[in-house]
Amino acid sequence: KAGVTQTPRYLIKTRGQQVTLSCSPISGHRSVSWYQQTPGQGLQFLFEYFSETQRNKGNFPGRFSGRQFSNSRSEMNVSTLELGDSALYLCASSLTDRKGTQYFGPGTRLTVL
Amino acid sequence: DQQVKQNSPSLSVQEGRISILNCDYTNSMFDYFLWYKKYPAEGPTFLISISSIKDKNEDGRFTVFLNKSAKHLSLHIVPSQPGDSAVYFCAASERYGGATNKLIFGTGTLLAVQP
Repeated sequence: KAGVTQTPRYLIKTRGQQVTLSCSPISGHRSVSWYQQTPGQGLQFLFEYFSETQRNKGNFPGRFSGRQFSNSRSEMNVSTLELGDSALYLCASSLTDRKGTQYFGPGTRLTVL
Repeated sequence: DQQVKQNSPSLSVQEGRISILNCDYTNSMFDYFLWYKKYPAEGPTFLISISSIKDKNEDGRFTVFLNKSAKHLSLHIVPSQPGDSAVYFCAASERYGGATNKLIFGTGTLLAVQP
């Protein structure tokens, strides 16, 4: 079974631009979560989607948003990029809707110049 | 406020010996714990988990111990192999009014297994 895939793997943007990252979960998984990893803050939860509904949101500004489609694929969007948004963005999928083991994709490395 | 803490940023162990990675938490609402391994430029890989109703879970070379009264868990790797060299993250999930897969991660411990 194919793992979690994320596209693109690397991205370079400039301040003020917006960006959309994509995640395809493991087949059959309906829960998709997003995390941001930075050297200073570590791995931090952004949000979680289950059956196209956002169930949980981390402590991030409204510039960070996401959505999930009927096929469970998910996208996250960051508008008005800031230098501090440079990070590894990780997507994880889970089979169950609660406390399921989450399987991570390889991540998208976003660099904001 | 760091709810999940891994106080050792790094650990060096000889091949064949035991590696013990530690994790402390402060939130008594956490009831499910996981360990992930991460190589640079890759996503975390799930290793092992434990529910708060247990105090030990074993899977091959990996064993996780949970001490609820001390709010402490540890991951034991026996025997350690050079391929185990990576950053290890402890993560916790909170008992919640509804369903959630949200994980709170520790800051990670870099394990180096010397041949």
